[in-house]
Amino acid sequence: GENVEQHPSTLSVQEGDSAVIKCTYSDSASNYFPWYKQELGKRPQLIIDIRSNVGEKKDQRIAVTLNKTAKHFSLHITETQPEDSAVYFCAASDQGAQKLVFGQGTRLTINP
Amino acid sequence: EPEVTQTPSHQVTQMGQEVILRCVPISNHLYFYWYRQILGQKVEFLVSFYNNEISEKSEIFDDQFSVERPDGSNFTLKIRSTKLEDSAMYFCASKREGLYTGELFFGEGSRLTVL
Repeated sequence: GENVEQHPSTLSVQEGDSAVIKCTYSDSASNYFPWYKQELGKRPQLIIDIRSNVGEKKDQRIAVTLNKTAKHFSLHITETQPEDSAVYFCAASDQGAQKLVFGQGTRLTINP
Repeated sequence: EPEVTQTPSHQVTQMGQEVILRCVPISNHLYFYWYRQILGQKVEFLVSFYNNEISEKSEIFDDQFSVERPDGSNFTLKIRSTKLEDSAMYFCASKREGLYTGELFFGEGSRLTVL
């Protein structure tokens, strides 16, 4: 089945700098890649997603890139703010599966 | 904005006891899920449910686990005889369409503590 690896496990950046989180997946049939943000004690919430027919997607300060050949995708957050501090999870799903497989999570801390 | 709701928010139980976690998915959603998250770890898939039957389950979802949609609105997860290692946050989630289209909405979670 699908296996998703996520790096780094923790990331600390200065406010205003950019943050990049990377994920790799194993199943070449996977075609949907969402990113979830989870604040402490809260539910995971979708922040951006990308499908395999697109190489990049952007939403204000957040962007996701996908390299199907290399089977990896990345989350980019620019101009980071303290409220970006949270745990971020990548996930992958294939067209036939009924589930998302999550990465291990990245704890992002924005230092003021 | 419609939300997935879960009860209880926190349950403490003794090892060997039965636990039922309840969820009310978003009303026009058709696909329902249970995930769990052990403290500090990743979100793990347990089971998916569609058209009143389990569509997929993970290795975690053994005979001690069951799911039910008893009345068209609630979606429950039952653990028959809890073990210490069942202690985790359990998230219910729902989706309107097939998994590869659209967003998976999570509830706030039910924290289960097994003593």
